[in-house]
Amino acid sequence: DQQVKQNSPSLSVQEGRISILNCDYTNSMFDYFLWYKKYPAEGPTFLISISSIKDKNEDGRFTVFLNKSAKHLSLHIVPSQPGDSAVYFCAVGGSQGNLIFGKGTKLSVKP
Amino acid sequence: EADIYQTPRYLVIGTGKKITLECSQTMGHDKMYWYQQDPGMELHLIHYSYGVNSTEKGDLSSESTVSRIRTEHFPLTLESARPSHTSQYLCASSPQERGYQETQYFGPGTRLLVL
Repeated sequence: DQQVKQNSPSLSVQEGRISILNCDYTNSMFDYFLWYKKYPAEGPTFLISISSIKDKNEDGRFTVFLNKSAKHLSLHIVPSQPGDSAVYFCAVGGSQGNLIFGKGTKLSVKP
Repeated sequence: EADIYQTPRYLVIGTGKKITLECSQTMGHDKMYWYQQDPGMELHLIHYSYGVNSTEKGDLSSESTVSRIRTEHFPLTLESARPSHTSQYLCASSPQERGYQETQYFGPGTRLLVL
């Protein structure tokens, strides 16, 4: 059973608009959340993370929001750029020390 | 940010061959990992290591083996490759100690095709 779900396999957004990628998790013991970006034939690149003691973390155009009661996190990219087109993976971690990844959402930003 | 390298980037081999995928990192990270990932799927952890002489199996059963003789080096070996091993293999490292929140940094991956 999947512990981390990214329910949208793909998302298409116009350049300059906001991209919102969503992620749900099942275990309330998870306390560290990350987003990675992956281009085809390359390894994932770390984007941004958030600890369970916060509900928002911002880094430039990227903001991650955490709703612990709903076990939900989201990544906002604004404004979206064509270079943001990639697969975005949500990952969660806890006391066991290893990360669990979702299946990813493929973002396409159209000029 | 970690500097982590994987070779080869692409590999096409025949069934039954023995292969070793190389992974090296220059940041002195204690923890290292191997993942397997197929298109549209999540990353599956197949091996990890807390440090020198430490190796653990991950969540996904794998016929591969790993070794950690030096901090910077974490090779993965398949004794007899099969078409079912065709996948992308990703190596990662993390500066955090066991039980702490960790950010993993990934290499570029090795795309393996077994004919």
